[in-house]
Amino acid sequence: NAGVTQTPKFQVLKTGQSMTLQCAQDMNHNSMYWYRQDPGMGLRLIYYSASEGTTDKGEVPNGYNVSRLNKREFSLRLESAAPSQTSVYFCASLPGLAGREQYFGPGTRLTVT
Amino acid sequence: EDKVVQSPLSLVVHEGDTVTLNCSYEVTNFRSLLWYKQEKKAPTFLFMLTSSGIEKKSGRLSSILDKKELSSILNITATQTGDSAIYLCAAPKSSGDKLTFGTGTRLAVRP
Repeated sequence: NAGVTQTPKFQVLKTGQSMTLQCAQDMNHNSMYWYRQDPGMGLRLIYYSASEGTTDKGEVPNGYNVSRLNKREFSLRLESAAPSQTSVYFCASLPGLAGREQYFGPGTRLTVT
Repeated sequence: EDKVVQSPLSLVVHEGDTVTLNCSYEVTNFRSLLWYKQEKKAPTFLFMLTSSGIEKKSGRLSSILDKKELSSILNITATQTGDSAIYLCAAPKSSGDKLTFGTGTRLAVRP
């Protein structure tokens, strides 16, 4: 069981470039999440998906798009990266039981210059 | 709007000290409160609390929920350098499975 995996681990982009962050979980969880973490800001939800085929905006969705490809995979796309998107990005999943703990991936450190 | 506030923002202690971290919440239709530890990478789950006054314990770490005060504390006794981390508190939003996180408390334990 790999749990939640994310690729890449690190990425440097120039302003205006695009990229997709990949996330996969092998725990058969229904819900998946994308967060960003900035110093002093805690974890902020970008998008989430309650089940395959559904996605919903979180607190900070601007500049991002997501795709829930199947039950296992949930990708996050930056269409035109901006320096304000420099952050650490975490993917997480949840079995679907309300109020239970989320399981996190190892994170992607993204720098936009 | 749901809110989770943690204090202090950061803390430096020496090995062997006992620390108390605080978390207060304002959440509609409260269901649970979760504590996570984040070292260099992903947050890892510590405790989930649903009932007031019941202490959850794991080794030197323990946590209690006070529903009347809308708060929780995380205690760490006999701290070790390996306890150095960011401790995050979170509460599920009133609807769905989204979590509201606090900004975290950064704990540094010096030898």
